[in-house]
Amino acid sequence: DVKVTQSSRYLVKRTGEKVFLECVQDMDHENMFWYRQDPGLGLRLIYFSYDVKMKEKGDIPEGYSVSREKKERFSLILESASTNQTSMYLCASSLSASGAGGYTFGSGTRLTVV
Amino acid sequence: AQSVTQLGSHVSVSEGALVLLRCNYSSSVPPYLFWYVQYPNQGLQLLLKYTSAATLVKGINGFEAEFKKSETSFHLTKPSAHMSDAAEYFCAVSPIKAAGNKLTFGGGTRVLVKP
Repeated sequence: DVKVTQSSRYLVKRTGEKVFLECVQDMDHENMFWYRQDPGLGLRLIYFSYDVKMKEKGDIPEGYSVSREKKERFSLILESASTNQTSMYLCASSLSASGAGGYTFGSGTRLTVV
Repeated sequence: AQSVTQLGSHVSVSEGALVLLRCNYSSSVPPYLFWYVQYPNQGLQLLLKYTSAATLVKGINGFEAEFKKSETSFHLTKPSAHMSDAAEYFCAVSPIKAAGNKLTFGGGTRVLVKP
């Protein structure tokens, strides 16, 4: 069964810390995505990547960066964590060739910044 | 630009009753359409998808959705709600031709099932 694995389910970090959220997929998908999910705001796209070493800003990239050194791994980096980055973070992947496949999501990382 | 509207952020149904979740999209051409379900503290799981084949699509857990081009709708239904259907449901669209096939999500509808 295809899988997207996020390294942590729950994470608590202090304000100002540099935070790494890791996502790994085993489906050889070209595309990978990071979303954050907040009550009443739905899913908001932070960054996405079409290929290794490629990245594109989503709708809310401020305060975040990403890294994709290998096809299977897409990391989200909070350069200096702030309390307004407390949220549920969802990673997803998809095939590039067609939009028909949709996304496969990881289980999510619930990040709390104190 | 595409957009997705889900009518009703919260829906309450009785166990055994019909579940109907509404989704309308705006797009210049019929896109690919998806319904996802999210259980508490989990990621999103694909329920079903429309990819320009049959307009009535059957998914997992007894759900189905009908694509109606004239109404630009893709409503999700289940004839008889079960307690395990309590979750949040997201409608999403993807253009048929687009780099990276980015999905656009609706705001979600949270379903409460009453015994």
